[in-house]
Amino acid sequence: SYELTQPHSVSVSPGQTATITCSGDKLGDKYAAWYQQKPGQSPVMIIYQDNERPLGIPERFSGSTSGNTATLTISGTQAMDEADYFCQAWDSSTDVIFGGGTKLTVL
Amino acid sequence: QITLKESGPPLVKPTQTLTLTCTFSGFSLTNSLAGVGWIRQPPGKALEWLALIYWDDDKRYSPSLRTRLTITKDTSKNHVVLTLTNMDPVDTATYYCVHRVPTVRGVAFDSWGQGTLVTVSA
Repeated sequence: SYELTQPHSVSVSPGQTATITCSGDKLGDKYAAWYQQKPGQSPVMIIYQDNERPLGIPERFSGSTSGNTATLTISGTQAMDEADYFCQAWDSSTDVIFGGGTKLTVL
Repeated sequence: QITLKESGPPLVKPTQTLTLTCTFSGFSLTNSLAGVGWIRQPPGKALEWLALIYWDDDKRYSPSLRTRLTITKDTSKNHVVLTLTNMDPVDTATYYCVHRVPTVRGVAFDSWGQGTLVTVSA
């Protein structure tokens, strides 16, 4: 079965750039999305269609995909960005699948 | 503004069937490209996609749970219902109802319900 692999945790200093990766076989051929989830809250979509940002999501969030990897980049990371981040992929053969999630710590 | 709300029993016994209802507003499931899905999250764990129903009644299921899942829609009531048979303690999770981004490119979920915690225990 298809799997998406994310690092368990990532740490970043305030104001720096955070990079969270998501790896899967030929992931670049699928459509990727990213979700942010804060404790006790429902997830929020922050990137879809690989690199599209929904209305209301700050510009510091960006996404890209290449080869077997999708990447979420947070530029100028803020304390409020501390959260769990989940990648998600779709194509017509695998349907919807989620990665295991990455805990982002801002310290 | 799109809203979704899950409803169902907070506690089910092993082997029972879980029935969850999603009541939504702000869009119509008769509109082209529309879709509503279900995603669950065991406490402290990752998200797991369960099922998705499209405006044209096309239904998609997680391969690992396909034999236990059924998703249906009632467009007149703006409801989507998910049933999961033969419940087990490992099915204990928060279950989310989600709205699919209405795009021809890919599947992603731009609106989520608040989630409903379902515990499986005798």
